[in-house]
Amino acid sequence: DIQMTQSPSSLSASVGDRVTITCRASQSISSYLNWYQQKPGKAPKLLLYAASSLQSGVPSRFSGSGSGTDFTLTISSLQPEDFATYYCQQSYSIPYTFGQGTKLEIK
Amino acid sequence: EVQLVESGGGLVQPGGSLRLSCAASGFTFSSSSMNWVRQAPGKGLEWVSHISSSSSTIYYADSVKGRFTISRDNAKNSLYLQMNSLRDEDTAVYYCAKSIAARKPFDYWGQGTLVTVSS
Repeated sequence: DIQMTQSPSSLSASVGDRVTITCRASQSISSYLNWYQQKPGKAPKLLLYAASSLQSGVPSRFSGSGSGTDFTLTISSLQPEDFATYYCQQSYSIPYTFGQGTKLEIK
Repeated sequence: EVQLVESGGGLVQPGGSLRLSCAASGFTFSSSSMNWVRQAPGKGLEWVSHISSSSSTIYYADSVKGRFTISRDNAKNSLYLQMNSLRDEDTAVYYCAKSIAARKPFDYWGQGTLVTVSS
């Protein structure tokens, strides 16, 4: 199985900050990397797919990059509604594994 | 508007069975792959199973293989998860999620249904 490791596991930041979350795969997954946002008590929401493609309706302050084993999710200017938990997921091979999550909290 | 609505969760004893359903609307269900993903209380996301649009391809996580069965009824726009031999560690919120095909992202998710396995 491909292991997905996110860092950091938690992060405190302020509104307006630029934030970067990283995700590392245990083997190459090309660009089969997706990012999800989950708020408490809610279902996950797709933010980015294929490492850098923005899902329809997602604000442009979210961006992604990377290929192979190393990926990043960047939020250019944090908004109050962005405080949530973020998960990366590889869809390269079965089982489709997720990272352990990064909880983004208000400083 | 895409809607996925899960049902069938509840409290069940270890060793028991439960059948989850996911009612889909707002998209061409028969052309979409579907997945089940679960989340144990306070934990991260775990992919459980995938079924292709025609049911010709099915995958399971090792943790549920041989105990869970995914199926779909395209005439009823419905997805199912039959869960047998349930264990304490199967306690989780179960989400259904659609994808265009295998290796594609999960672009829409249901609100989830809670399964609690406890004596």
